[in-house]
Amino acid sequence: AQKITQTQPGMFVQEKEAVTLDCTYDTSDPSYGLFWYKQPSSGEMIFLIYQGSYDQQNATEGRYSLNFQKARKSANLVISASQLGDSAMYFCAISTGGFKTIFGAGTRLFVKA
Amino acid sequence: EAGVVQSPRYKIIEKKQPVAFWCNPISGHNTLYWYLQNLGQGPELLIRYENEEAVDDSQLPKDRFSAERLKGVDSTLKIQPAELGDSAVYLCASSPRGRGGEQYFGPGTRLTVT
Repeated sequence: AQKITQTQPGMFVQEKEAVTLDCTYDTSDPSYGLFWYKQPSSGEMIFLIYQGSYDQQNATEGRYSLNFQKARKSANLVISASQLGDSAMYFCAISTGGFKTIFGAGTRLFVKA
Repeated sequence: EAGVVQSPRYKIIEKKQPVAFWCNPISGHNTLYWYLQNLGQGPELLIRYENEEAVDDSQLPKDRFSAERLKGVDSTLKIQPAELGDSAVYLCASSPRGRGGEQYFGPGTRLTVT
């Protein structure tokens, strides 16, 4: 069975600074995908970034990058140049064969002006 | 491109009453998911469809929950009878073929059972 652990219930960051949200995972499947989603207070989950288990390079999407350390089973999300609109819940998720997706408990990010 | 549409957005019912939620996925997305999200937690999968086939319903409480996706497009999730513990947000998501983790979510239906 797969598992996602997000140990930071809440994080604060100053506007324009970078922040790292932690995520560790566990799976016995050699092929998997790791994802991050953002959930603003409006409630809608927004797909941010994807990393495949065989990808050699860390994924990047604009201000989002995924720091993938396979040996440590970690997939941290880095948000550069934080903006007030980045304040939201962030969920890490893993998807394995058959596309079964498991989400972590989430980290709430607060961006301070 | 239109996103995932869900209705209703909010529903308040008394316990033991039935309730139904509707979802229309993004056009062309063959995979459809129903999730339950409790306050302060991540979404939990209830059921996943590949076209009209339910390929993963292991987490669906089948004694009171049912779902259908008759023509492989829109889907309905039903609870009958509802219990107090069913109060939650019910999220629908869809994904394109072969990209199962890249899911696009609807706004959800917030269910309150009194």
